[in-house]
Amino acid sequence: DAGVTQSPTHLIKTRGQQVTLRCSPISGHKSVSWYQQVLGQGPQFIFQYYEKEERGRGNFPDRFSARQFPNYSSELNVNALLLGDSALYLCASSFEGHQPQHFGDGTRLSIL
Amino acid sequence: GDSVTQMEGPVTLSEEAFLTINCTYTATGYPSLFWYVQYPGEGLQLLLKATKADDKGSNKGFEATYRKETTSFHLEKGSVQVSDSAVYFCALSDQLWAGGTSYGKLTFGQGTILTVHP
Repeated sequence: DAGVTQSPTHLIKTRGQQVTLRCSPISGHKSVSWYQQVLGQGPQFIFQYYEKEERGRGNFPDRFSARQFPNYSSELNVNALLLGDSALYLCASSFEGHQPQHFGDGTRLSIL
Repeated sequence: GDSVTQMEGPVTLSEEAFLTINCTYTATGYPSLFWYVQYPGEGLQLLLKATKADDKGSNKGFEATYRKETTSFHLEKGSVQVSDSAVYFCALSDQLWAGGTSYGKLTFGQGTILTVHP
């Protein structure tokens, strides 16, 4: 079975632009979580979605938003990009939103 | 809030050496504990887990024991290989409640870079 897949792999944007990242969970998993990993640090929780509803949100500004589709895939949107948004964005899926969570390889976002 | 503290890195070892990476945590509830590994250019892979006090998680020669009395979950391996070179993250998951529903959020340590030389 395929694991968690994320697209694109790499992305380069400039300050002020908007970006959309995509994630497909493991088949049968109904929950998707998003994490931001800044270089040299551990991942930080952004959102968790389950059955298309937001269940939890980390300490991130409203510029960050997400949604989950009926097929359980998810998109993360970031508006008005800042240099500090440069990071690896990781998507994780799980059956009901608890553990264990299985991670994709991430999208590397660079802001110029 | 919840937090995880890992030993300062990087850690450099020779092949077949003994590995210990220290991890301590702070949590208000009864968290599950995890070790994840990240190879260059990849996402996180679950290495092992423990869900309650005194549980021992093990996988691929790595072990960690959930110690509630010392709030620790140290990672050990008796004989490391070059292929073990990676970044290791300790993490906890606590059950959180929002709007009448619960969810599990992972809180990670800062990571420890392990380099194993032949």
